[in-house]
Amino acid sequence: RKEVEQDPGPFNVPEGATVAFNCTYSNSASQSFFWYRQDCRKEPKLLMSVYSSGNEDGRFTAQLNRASQYISLLIRDSKLSDSATYLCVVFGTGGGNKLTFGTGTQLKVEL
Amino acid sequence: EPEVTQTPSHQVTQMGQEVILRCVPISNHLYFYWYRQILGQKVEFLVSFYNNEISEKSEIFDDQFSVERPDGSNFTLKIRSTKLEDSAMYFCASSSRTGWDTGELFFGEGSRLTVL
Repeated sequence: RKEVEQDPGPFNVPEGATVAFNCTYSNSASQSFFWYRQDCRKEPKLLMSVYSSGNEDGRFTAQLNRASQYISLLIRDSKLSDSATYLCVVFGTGGGNKLTFGTGTQLKVEL
Repeated sequence: EPEVTQTPSHQVTQMGQEVILRCVPISNHLYFYWYRQILGQKVEFLVSFYNNEISEKSEIFDDQFSVERPDGSNFTLKIRSTKLEDSAMYFCASSSRTGWDTGELFFGEGSRLTVL
């Protein structure tokens, strides 16, 4: 089983739509969880952290379910500029002090 | 805004040649990382560096790879004898604290390595 698993997509959605991405992780001892965004051929950038209580940042909502080892990201009112690859990222997998990235889910927002 | 800078942005080399990729992390950061991303694949951890020594490395980071912080500002990745499969984008990253409490690694724009 992959350490961090995501549906690669692409998700093609119209502007204004709501879209949800899911991620699962294999190591129950993982400590912290994040969503990063990566534009084509660019570096990853932190989008938001993910907490068990759920957290929201504008149009973005992230949720963590430790029991199911499942992380989600919801984007409301999607915009053309949201088109990117969304990376599920886990810290502390395997006891290490590093970030482990999923393969990413590609989002394309269309007119 | 402070940023991580990497040079070169693109390097083409022949198989078997040595390559050095350079990074200048953000000045007050203490933790440094190299990641790589083969085209179309995920971002993979190579090595982390703290207090002038390697703190963790992956299986990818074999004897062909080495890192150095020679002068307190630069952080370099050396590949001693490049192979075709080393072709990838190499990202340098730095952090002021370990990833667990902020999750924010600041990445450079990457150095694309093409091995022919």
